[in-house]
Order: sequence, then C-alpha cells, then structure tokens
Amino acid sequence: KNEVEQSPQNLTAQEGEFITINCSYSVGISALHWLQQHPGGGIVSLFMLSSGKKKHGRLIATINIQEKHSSLHITASHPRDSAVYICAVRSSGSARQLTFGSGTQLTVLP
Amino acid sequence: NAGVTQTPKFQVLKTGQSMTLQCAQDMNHEYMSWYRQDPGMGLRLIHYSVGAGITDQGEVPNGYNVSRSTTEDFPLRLLSAAPSQTSVYFCASSSLRGRHNSPLHFGNGTRLTVT
Repeated sequence: KNEVEQSPQNLTAQEGEFITINCSYSVGISALHWLQQHPGGGIVSLFMLSSGKKKHGRLIATINIQEKHSSLHITASHPRDSAVYICAVRSSGSARQLTFGSGTQLTVLP
Repeated sequence: NAGVTQTPKFQVLKTGQSMTLQCAQDMNHEYMSWYRQDPGMGLRLIHYSVGAGITDQGEVPNGYNVSRSTTEDFPLRLLSAAPSQTSVYFCASSSLRGRHNSPLHFGNGTRLTVT
C-alpha cells in the first residue's frame, strides 16, 4: 500500500463547478504539501499544511491530522485550473524526505 | 530572483553514455533534492542534500551520483545511462531555517530519453 493515496486519479468538471481532491496518508507527518503541475511540466507549490485550513484565492486546503486526510478544494473552477494536483507528505520520522502521491489529473471544460 | 534553474530541458543519450544534469538555486536554500517522475507514479527521490558537503541517498539512488560543493549548485550525474533511466527529472530546493517546514521550489524539469 502506498504511503500517500490520492483520489480521484482523473477528474473532469464543467467550468464553475466546485472541485474536491482527496489525499490520505498512512504515516505520522510534520507537514503536507499540495503542488500543481501544468501541462508544460513545471511544478508549483500551492500550500504547505501542518494543521487546520489555508486559503489562497479560489483554492482551499484542509487537513485532519487524526484521520490522516487532506483535501484540496477549488471553488468556481476555470479551464486554467486544468493541471495535475499532487499531494506530498513529510513524515515526522524523516524530516528531510517527501513522499508523493501519484497525482490527480483535473480537466475543467469551458 | 531566478529561483531554481535546471539544465538542459531535453536530452537524448545512448545506453552507456554519461552526463550531468545541472541544478542551481539563488535563494540560499540549504535543502536541495533530485526527483524522477515516471508515468503513473509519484515523484521519487533520488538524492538529496541538507547543505554544502552533505549528500544522502533517497528512494532510487542506483545509477546516479551527486555532489554539493557549494550551497547554490547540486548536479546529478548519470554514470552509465540505461533505458530504465528514461524519465523526467526535477530538482527542488527549500529552506531548512526556522521551526517550520518551508515550501519546495522546483526547477522546470529535464526530459531525458535513453535509447
């Protein structure tokens, strides 16, 4: 079983829809990252969480440490949100290494 | 600031050839790392460094060498390229200062094909 599981693997939405991407992990962590990878390949850090909730524009990230689960929400989705969204965790036992999920491919149709 | 600069963007090698992927950052980050990204799999850590003169192996280190002679540069060397090393490679850096984690900054990636 992978340490980091993302769901769904693929998601297609209509412009304007509310989107949720989920990330579950099996180890104790010191931080969880959400990353965005655009079709051109570049990877951008969206959020880093150790507890609670963070918001940036239309993006919201939440984490429940007890349930070992995090969600990334996109409100009022737009075609430019189409990308691969990647969850990564830094385990509390290995402060220098991240374990990555395999990503969620999001396509937002106009 | 340029952030993390990775070169080359594309490379084709024949089996057995060697090459070096370059990575440089101008943010004075202590932590630098190399990942490979393969279809259907998450990014996997190859090697990492927490400061000049210090390197350590990640999840998939075989066939790769690294060195960290300066804070800015963290080159990845393929000693004898194999088709299994066909992948997209990313360099990333972050600060280790302070109590909290800091975000990762990624280079734009190198698409390597070994024939």
